[in-house]
Amino acid sequence: DVKVTQSSRYLVKRTGEKVFLECVQDMDHENMFWYRQDPGLGLRLIYFSYDVKMKEKGDIPEGYSVSREKKERFSLILESASTNQTSMYLCASSPKPGPHNPQHFGDGTRLSIL
Amino acid sequence: SQQGEEDPQALSIQEGENATMNCSYKTSINNLQWYRQNSGRGLVHLILIRSNEREKHSGRLRVTLDTSKKSSSLLITASRAADTASYFCATDQGGGKLIFGQGTELSVKP
Repeated sequence: DVKVTQSSRYLVKRTGEKVFLECVQDMDHENMFWYRQDPGLGLRLIYFSYDVKMKEKGDIPEGYSVSREKKERFSLILESASTNQTSMYLCASSPKPGPHNPQHFGDGTRLSIL
Repeated sequence: SQQGEEDPQALSIQEGENATMNCSYKTSINNLQWYRQNSGRGLVHLILIRSNEREKHSGRLRVTLDTSKKSSSLLITASRAADTASYFCATDQGGGKLIFGQGTELSVKP
C-alpha cells in the first residue's frame, strides 16, 4: 500500500515564524500535492509538483512556498505565519499523470498559529 | 476554484438504511472520484468513474455519472456505524489535478 507520511499531526506556531511542513511518500510517485482544508470550504489546492524541482501554483498559493529537492519529499513552507493560516494541511501523491489515477493522502497536520 | 458541490451537506440515517450523496460539477471531466475522510484523518480513495462510464460498483458502493447533467451520486447500501465519515467528490479535468467538493457529512446511528 502507498504510504504518505506527514511529519507532524499537530503543530502550534507563533505569528511571524517560518513554518515547515514535511511530506514523504514511499511509492515513487511523480506527483505531489499540498491542500488546506477548512470547514465549509472543502479542500483547496495550495501547490503541486509533477517532478523533482518542479512546482506549480494551485488555487491559493499566497503566503506559501514549496520545495521538492527529492522525488519522495515535498515540503510546504509558510514564509511568515499568520493566524489566517491556521488550518488542516493535507499532502497527497499520485503516479505520473495517466488517464485515471487516484490520489493517496497523508493523515494531515493540524496547524495552529497563535 | 471549487467545482464540485455536494448535496446534502449532512445526512443522518439508521444502520441498515441506504445513504445517497450527490455531486454536481461545472466543466467537462476525465473522471470523477469519491473519497472518504474519517474524523481528523486524511482522505481515502473509494471509487473512480470515467467520463465514458455511467455506473460503477465496488462492494456496497454504487456510483453513477450523468455527464449531460454534470452530476454524480454515491450510494452506500446497508450502511453501518463504521460508515460514519465525510464523503467528498473530486473531478479530474486532466493532468492529475483534482478539484474537490465541500463534502457530505454522513452519520450512521446504530
